[in-house]
Amino acid sequence: DAKTTQPNSMESNEEEPVHLPCNHSTISGTDYIHWYRQLPSQGPEYVIHGLTSNVNNRMASLAIAEDRKSSTLILHRATLRDAAVYYCILREHASGGSYIPTFGRGTSLIVHP
Amino acid sequence: GAGVSQTPSNKVTEKGKYVELRCDPISGHTALYWYRQSLGQGPEFLIYFQGTGAADDSGLPNDRFFAVRPEGSVSTLKIQRTERGDSAVYLCASSPDGTLRTQYFGPGTRLTVL
Repeated sequence: DAKTTQPNSMESNEEEPVHLPCNHSTISGTDYIHWYRQLPSQGPEYVIHGLTSNVNNRMASLAIAEDRKSSTLILHRATLRDAAVYYCILREHASGGSYIPTFGRGTSLIVHP
Repeated sequence: GAGVSQTPSNKVTEKGKYVELRCDPISGHTALYWYRQSLGQGPEFLIYFQGTGAADDSGLPNDRFFAVRPEGSVSTLKIQRTERGDSAVYLCASSPDGTLRTQYFGPGTRLTVL
């Protein structure tokens, strides 16, 4: 199975951009890169996903390296509400019509006011 | 609309007891997942239902764990002879199509086994 590596924690100040890295050197050609985040006392929620090209949505941007062995989730202006654990997940473990994610430990983002 | 709901939000039980955890998925979602999350760890997959049937139960740790979804909507995770190591947050998610980006999670049930 393709594995991901993320820093355990990162800190940022409010209103500043945040770049959350993820290494996935064993990624296969068909693996999509997904990011989820988990706010305190809540279940995870989808943030963004991509395959090869950089992606933008209302929550964040995803920058994917040309060799696809790493990616970066970009929060353009961090707010206190962005304090959460961010998980980088590769689409894997296809089973019975679904994909089962492997979450790992993620990166705990601390945002200072 | 209503999201995924889980009851109870907290459950405290004694070692050896039987517990049931309930998940109400988003209406119309055919796929339903159970995960377990220990402190400081990411969620770990337990079981996945497509409709009424368990399509993948490879994550269930042992035969004390069992889950049902008899009518293809509400699901119940059942744990027999609970052990202290079963203490965790149990998360449920549902999806209309089984893709990663459409898994919507509930808030979880925090199970504490004394």
